[in-house]
Amino acid sequence: EAGVAQSPRYKIIEKRQSVAFWCNPISGHATLYWYQQILGQGPKLLIQFQNNGVVDDSQLPKDRFSAERLKGVDSTLKIQPAKLEDSAVYLCASSLGAGRETQYFGPGTRLLVL
Amino acid sequence: EDQVTQSPEALRLQEGESSSLNCSYTVSGLRGLFWYRQDPGKGPEFLFTLYSAGEEKEKERLKATLTKKESFLHITAPKPEDSATYLCAVQAVGNAGNMLTFGGGTRLMVKP
Repeated sequence: EAGVAQSPRYKIIEKRQSVAFWCNPISGHATLYWYQQILGQGPKLLIQFQNNGVVDDSQLPKDRFSAERLKGVDSTLKIQPAKLEDSAVYLCASSLGAGRETQYFGPGTRLLVL
Repeated sequence: EDQVTQSPEALRLQEGESSSLNCSYTVSGLRGLFWYRQDPGKGPEFLFTLYSAGEEKEKERLKATLTKKESFLHITAPKPEDSATYLCAVQAVGNAGNMLTFGGGTRLMVKP
């Protein structure tokens, strides 16, 4: 079974530029998550989708971050404009549903903002 | 607010030297406690889920246990390939979604 796919794997941008990350969850998984992992820390949830609806985006910096999940499958996370403190690994995860189900993570996109 | 604290931050072991990693948590109501392994440059890999105090789960050299305030990940006779960062996360009852709140991780290094 294919795992969670993410692209690109690495991205380097200048501050104030925009960037977008893509995620394809495990087939059949209704719930999709975006986490931010700063070096040396554990992942922090940014947004959770159930199918194509937002369940929790309380920790998403909405002035610069946006995310969408069209057709309830793939998802895109965008940052515009980027700040130095956005340098981190952006992890996408998926699970079958929104209960106790295990969340499975993709390899992440490593973003460096200069 | 849900909180997870892992200790130690880093642990160096000789091959075969057993030890334990600690995960202390504060949560209004625990739905589940999760252990993940993360290798450098990769995403977290699922290891275990524990749901209630007293529960234990094992996988190869790893054994996870749970009390009402903390969880332990016991590593028996570790090998160099067990070197990784081990992350603990809690899922709380009553959250809008089922977000995981992670600790900072324990970086384990096993020397041959």
